[in-house]
Amino acid sequence: EAGVAQSPRYKIIEKRQSVAFWCNPISGHATLYWYQQILGQGPKLLIQFQNNGVVDDSQLPKDRFSAERLKGVDSTLKIQPAKLEDSAVYLCASSFLIAGGRSGNEQFFGPGTRLTVL
Amino acid sequence: AQSVTQLGSHVSVSEGALVLLRCNYSSSVPPYLFWYVQYPNQGLQLLLKYTSAATLVKGINGFEAEFKKSETSFHLTKPSAHMSDAAEYFCAVSVQGAQKLVFGQGTRLTINP
Repeated sequence: EAGVAQSPRYKIIEKRQSVAFWCNPISGHATLYWYQQILGQGPKLLIQFQNNGVVDDSQLPKDRFSAERLKGVDSTLKIQPAKLEDSAVYLCASSFLIAGGRSGNEQFFGPGTRLTVL
Repeated sequence: AQSVTQLGSHVSVSEGALVLLRCNYSSSVPPYLFWYVQYPNQGLQLLLKYTSAATLVKGINGFEAEFKKSETSFHLTKPSAHMSDAAEYFCAVSVQGAQKLVFGQGTRLTINP
């Protein structure tokens, strides 16, 4: 079974530039998550999709960050314009939603995209 | 709201020694608890999870954790450390109806030969 795919693996940009990250979840996984992991910290949820709908985007800086999952499969996270403090690893994860929405489902993580903003 | 505190940002043990990584949680409702491991330049991999069944949970690579409600703890242990255990370990909590994970700050485990 193929895992969660992310690209690119590394990206270096200047501040105020734009950047986009792509994620393809495990086939059949209805729920997709984007996390931001700043160096020395645990991952922080940015946005959660169930199929192509947003479940939770309470911690997404909506003035500069946007995300979409148009067909309920792969997803794109965009930052426009980037700031120095956006330097982090952006992790995508997916999980299989069991009927009834029980929690405790394992989230499977991709390798992440390491963003450096200069 | 749920939160997790990992005691000790860096733990160092000798090869063959006991590994103990501490995690305390805060939740107003029964939690689900997870331990993930992250190797350099890789994503997170699930070690084990507690989902209200047995309080002693066994995971991969010889790790186990015990859920103690009275202490609000979910410490991770391994009887004998191996060099390959060197990595970053994250404790996380979620609650039913909210699938998102809330992670602790992480503990970097170093194994000395």
